Amino acid sequence: EDKVVQSPLSLVVHEGDTVTLNCSYEVTNFRSLLWYKQEKKAPTFLFMLTSSGIEKKSGRLSSILDKKELSSILNITATQTGDSAIYLCAVRDNYGQNFVFGPGTRLSVLP
Amino acid sequence: EAGVAQSPRYKIIEKRQSVAFWCNPISGHATLYWYQQILGQGPKLLIQFQNNGVVDDSQLPKDRFSAERLKGVDSTLKIQPAKLEDSAVYLCASSSPIEVSGNTIYFGEGSWLTVV
Repeated sequence: EDKVVQSPLSLVVHEGDTVTLNCSYEVTNFRSLLWYKQEKKAPTFLFMLTSSGIEKKSGRLSSILDKKELSSILNITATQTGDSAIYLCAVRDNYGQNFVFGPGTRLSVLP
Repeated sequence: EAGVAQSPRYKIIEKRQSVAFWCNPISGHATLYWYQQILGQGPKLLIQFQNNGVVDDSQLPKDRFSAERLKGVDSTLKIQPAKLEDSAVYLCASSSPIEVSGNTIYFGEGSWLTVV
């Protein structure tokens, strides 16, 4: 059974800090790994990482996939209070279109 | 492009009552998902449709949950009778057909259910 683990589950930082969120997975025939940001509503898409695209960056956010270690990190630099959210990691295999989600990391950025 | 539409946004019911949630996916998206997200946890897949056929319903509690997508477009998720542990956000999501490089899923804003 596919499995996704995230750490830490909760994190409190101050504005301006840099954070690293971790995601590790066990999936048969890996296809892609996705990061989502969830505030008080539906998860919104951040990045998708695949074998052909193992590093993505958008503004202060960046993510790297390590296929050897079966893991990914999400980095946020110069954090702002608006970054406070739950960050979800999901993986997908090649067999179906199901996305298996981890429990999420709850990030709180204090002013 | 219109997003995934869900209704109702919020619902409070008593245990043993029934409730139904509706979802309209993004136009052209053949795959539709219902996820259950309990507070503090990640979304858990309940059922996945490809057009009007069920792809995966292995985690759907079929004694009380049912879902349909009769015309391959919108979908309804029903809970009858509801239990206290069904209190959660029910997220509907959709995705376009499989591409070589993989694709993403797009979520609706969720239907927040409280069972008292």
